[in-house]
Amino acid sequence: DIVMTQSPVTLSVSPGERATLSCRASQSVSNNLAWYQHTPGQAPKLLIYGASSRATGTPARFSGSGSGTEFTLTISSLQSEDFAIYSCLQYNHRFSFGPGTRVDIK
Amino acid sequence: EVQLEESGGGLIQPGGSLRLSCAASGFTVSRNYMIWVRQAPGQGLEWVSVIYSGGGTYYVESVKGRFVISRDDSKNTVYLQMNSLRVEDTAVYYCATQSDHYESTGYYSVGYWGQGTLVTVSS
Repeated sequence: DIVMTQSPVTLSVSPGERATLSCRASQSVSNNLAWYQHTPGQAPKLLIYGASSRATGTPARFSGSGSGTEFTLTISSLQSEDFAIYSCLQYNHRFSFGPGTRVDIK
Repeated sequence: EVQLEESGGGLIQPGGSLRLSCAASGFTVSRNYMIWVRQAPGQGLEWVSVIYSGGGTYYVESVKGRFVISRDDSKNTVYLQMNSLRVEDTAVYYCATQSDHYESTGYYSVGYWGQGTLVTVSS
């Protein structure tokens, strides 16, 4: 099974600042990597698919990069609605999620 | 519009069984993969099971032999039969399906989610 890890566990950022989140796979998942935003009580929302493509409705301040085993989600200028949990998902071989990174207000 | 509605959650004693249902609308379940994902209290998301359009089914190791995923094409509904439930199965269970975004690799990310149903396993 493919194990996904994410860092950091928590990221404290001030509004308007840049946030960089990392996701690593235990073996190559090619570009079959997605990023989700979720908050307690809400279903996850797809932000990025194919490692770097923005889903419909995803603001341009969100960008994804990477391939193989190393991936990054960047939020260029954090807005108040961006403080949430971000999880990566590999769908190259079955599915597996990373444990998530919580982005909170500094 | 794609919609997924889960039902069947509740409080159950360890060792008991529950069947979750996921009623779909706006698309045909037999043409997509359908997955179940759970989130235990204070924990991250965990993929549980998938049924592919061709009928193949797969499970996370911790539920193999206890959970069964199936679908009823006539009802456009997917099920998760959960047997021999354990305290550690306590979670919100989400039904989800592939996104509409075409990828040249032929793979599809998870794009649509239900609102989830809570399963509590406790004596």
